[in-house]
Amino acid sequence: EMQLVESGGGLVQPGRSLRLSCAASGFSFDDFAMHWVRQVPGKGLEWVTGINWNGDTKGYADSVEGRFTISRDNAKNSLYLEMTSLRVEDTAFFYCWAVCVSTTCSGDLWGQGTLVTVSS
Amino acid sequence: QTVVTQEPSLSVSPGGTVTLTCGLSSGSVSSSDHPGWFQQTPGQPPRTLIFSTRTRSSGVPDRFSGSILGNKAALTITGAQAEDESVYFCVVSMGSGTWVFGGGTRLTVL
Repeated sequence: EMQLVESGGGLVQPGRSLRLSCAASGFSFDDFAMHWVRQVPGKGLEWVTGINWNGDTKGYADSVEGRFTISRDNAKNSLYLEMTSLRVEDTAFFYCWAVCVSTTCSGDLWGQGTLVTVSS
Repeated sequence: QTVVTQEPSLSVSPGGTVTLTCGLSSGSVSSSDHPGWFQQTPGQPPRTLIFSTRTRSSGVPDRFSGSILGNKAALTITGAQAEDESVYFCVVSMGSGTWVFGGGTRLTVL
């Protein structure tokens, strides 16, 4: 079964750092570009950052550029999000999103999300 | 920064047809922007309905279809059912590895 499982969320004080992980299973991880998408409870989706299949290309939303860093380890089938200088407005559910970029797969996959709460 | 626009809310009668659109505050959406559509119910992660303009995700009923209408991406539901009442989001590729989601459309089936 294809699955993405996020972890690492929790309560953190403003200005501090947090690292999220996303463990992939049931599919060829390096056939997929990976993204982090966040959602304030009750609000819309916000694309945060994405990384191509081999980690060579990364993109960031203006709201997190310079504070967040995306990375992946294809040997460990894992995606990461290093978040620094966290702000109250970063409070949200963070979802891991895998998008097929190979001819040997199709479609995409979402994780269940992990909640990050930034508060003093 | 370019904003992706969606109708805040729409309604459709059971069995009816409704089209949701996804545009840009400046410019047009085309197939090369790989627009996608997602359905989300409260407390759940998004469910992908359509990717790359018109390809249905596995298991998605064929009453959902994606297209480009004029200068916007469109999601059409033909023969709406009660369980289609939900919030729908679109996403558009902005190039350079960046994407932007629309604000979402709340669809009511009544």
